[in-house]
Amino acid sequence: EIVMTQSPATVSVSPGERATLSCRASQTFSSNLAWYQQKPGQAPRLLIYGTSTRATGIPARFSGSGSGTEFTLTISSLQSEDSAVYYCQQYNSWPFTFGGGTKVEIK
Amino acid sequence: EVQLVESGGGLIQPGGSLRLSCAASGFTVRDSYMSWVRQAPGKGLEWVSIIYGGSSTFYADSVKGRFTISRDNSENTVFLQMNSLRVEDTAVYHCARSTGRLYGMDVWGQGTTVTVSS
Repeated sequence: EIVMTQSPATVSVSPGERATLSCRASQTFSSNLAWYQQKPGQAPRLLIYGTSTRATGIPARFSGSGSGTEFTLTISSLQSEDSAVYYCQQYNSWPFTFGGGTKVEIK
Repeated sequence: EVQLVESGGGLIQPGGSLRLSCAASGFTVRDSYMSWVRQAPGKGLEWVSIIYGGSSTFYADSVKGRFTISRDNSENTVFLQMNSLRVEDTAVYHCARSTGRLYGMDVWGQGTTVTVSS
């Protein structure tokens, strides 16, 4: 099983500033990594798949990068509506696994 | 409209069984990768199971041998049969769709709550 570790657990960023979220895998794999956003009381929403491809309707301020065991989600100019928990997920091999999440707070 | 609606959750005693349903509309489950993902109260997401293709299935180690995923193509519905339930299975259970092996889960249901308690 591939273990996914996200850091930091919480990040506090001012509106308009950049937020950088990290996701580390316990073993290397190809680009089958996704990022999800979840707000309280809501289902998760797909932001990024294939490490760097934005899902339909996702604003350009969200970008994904990385390879091997290190992956990053960047929110280039944080908006108030971006306050949420963000999860990475590998779907390269069974069982699929999620990271523990990073909470993004607005300063 | 593309939509997933889960049902079947409830309060169940440890050792009991429950069957969750996920009704799809706007697309066909037969042509999709359909997963169940759960979230325990105050915790993160945990992938549970998937069904795709000619009924290929995979499970998380935590539910293997106790849970069974299946689908009814005529009803366009995916099921999760949960047996030998444990307190630690308490969670909101979401079903989610992927359009292929290389894509993330782009459509999610709102979830159904399963509470395992005596």
